[in-house]
Amino acid sequence: EVQLVESGGGLVQTGRSLRLSCAASEFSFNDYAMHWVRQAPGKGLEWVSGITWNSGTIGYADSVKGRFTISRDNAKNSLFMQMNSLRAEDSALYYCARGFCGSMSCSLDYWGQGTLVTVSS
Amino acid sequence: QSALTQPASVSGSPGQSITISCTGTSSDIGHYNYVSWYQQHPGKAPTLIIYDVSSRPSGVSNRFSGSKSGNTASLTLSGLQAEDEADYYCTSYTTSNTLGWVFGGGTKLTVL
Repeated sequence: EVQLVESGGGLVQTGRSLRLSCAASEFSFNDYAMHWVRQAPGKGLEWVSGITWNSGTIGYADSVKGRFTISRDNAKNSLFMQMNSLRAEDSALYYCARGFCGSMSCSLDYWGQGTLVTVSS
Repeated sequence: QSALTQPASVSGSPGQSITISCTGTSSDIGHYNYVSWYQQHPGKAPTLIIYDVSSRPSGVSNRFSGSKSGNTASLTLSGLQAEDEADYYCTSYTTSNTLGWVFGGGTKLTVL
């Protein structure tokens, strides 16, 4: 069974930085794109960022562009999100999700349990 | 990026059927057949129940079905059961962002 385990969340002051990690197992990590999706408390889901299998293509939501940096280490089956200049509105549960895109199919098929980021002044 | 539009809530009695709509634009639902639906129970991570508009992952009940017409996708759940009470989210791949997905605001399903 595919496993995605996020870590690195916590309480941080406005303007500071945080680095999230996602450890993947039970699938061939370097064959898949990976994404971060967040959910503010009591709110809906918001796509944050995605990265292709070889880091050749990277995308960000406008809300985090220029502040967040996604990366991956295929040798360590790990996905990362460096979050700088954090704002109160970045407070959310951050999910790591596997992106499957084939010739005629595309979805975020497996998700981790999330890591909570709280940004406070 | 604008979110997809879903009703905030729907309800139905056990055994009945309900449909949740998800309206987007020509940049997302109208452009791609990459519409997915997720079920989320309180305190849990979302789980995929429909992908590519109408396909079901292995293990997902055939009571769930999906469709699309133009810029609007729909999720139908037949034979409602108490355990179906949850939040449901639609999402679509979008041209508005590299590798980007846009989500609906979510629909709370109440089984009466």
